[in-house]
Amino acid sequence: EVQLLESGENFVQPGGSLRLSCVGSGFSFSRYALTWIRQSPGKGLEWLSSVSASGGTTVYADSETGRFSISRDNSKNTLYLEMKSLKVEDTAVYYCAKEDDDLLTGPFDYWGQGILVTVSS
Amino acid sequence: DIQMTQSPSSLSASLGDRVTITCQASQDITNHLNWYQQKPGQSPKLLIFDVSNLGPGVPPRFSGGGSGTDFTLSISNLRPEDLATYYCQQYDRVPITFGQGTRLAI
Repeated sequence: EVQLLESGENFVQPGGSLRLSCVGSGFSFSRYALTWIRQSPGKGLEWLSSVSASGGTTVYADSETGRFSISRDNSKNTLYLEMKSLKVEDTAVYYCAKEDDDLLTGPFDYWGQGILVTVSS
Repeated sequence: DIQMTQSPSSLSASLGDRVTITCQASQDITNHLNWYQQKPGQSPKLLIFDVSNLGPGVPPRFSGGGSGTDFTLSISNLRPEDLATYYCQQYDRVPITFGQGTRLAI
């Protein structure tokens, strides 16, 4: 069974930094591109960043270039999202998602359960 | 960025009904269109990929169509478990973008 499990701190103050992790199991982790997507409370879905299967290629939403950094450690079956200079509007549920290939475009065939990150003073 | 516009934003239907949700892209995305279903309190689930291909475990009551800029998601024989918000997503150009969602009430 494919599983993706996000973890990390749930609360951070504005201007702070945070690293989210996502551990994958039940599939050949190193064969697939992975993605971070967030959903603000009561809002829709926002794609943030994707990383290729090898980790050698990354793409970002323009709005997050420079503040967010995606990476992966295939030896640990883990995906990361480093976020800095966090703003109140970054408050959201953050999902990691697996692609069904290595094209950095989706579709996202499996999603984690999500982790709520709250940015507040 | 490619804007994805769904309509309606919400709809109410009855058990056994057939409903159709539309998704319009701001530019031609050929067939680079996926649909996701998000039930209350859950993470999204892949419903349809590449316009018309069913995702893993998705029943054939769901179907998708369209090309270019105009796409549809249809659900026939509505069941209680179809209560959810449905999102379209384009992957023709980065950034990948989603529609704003269509909330289906039954």
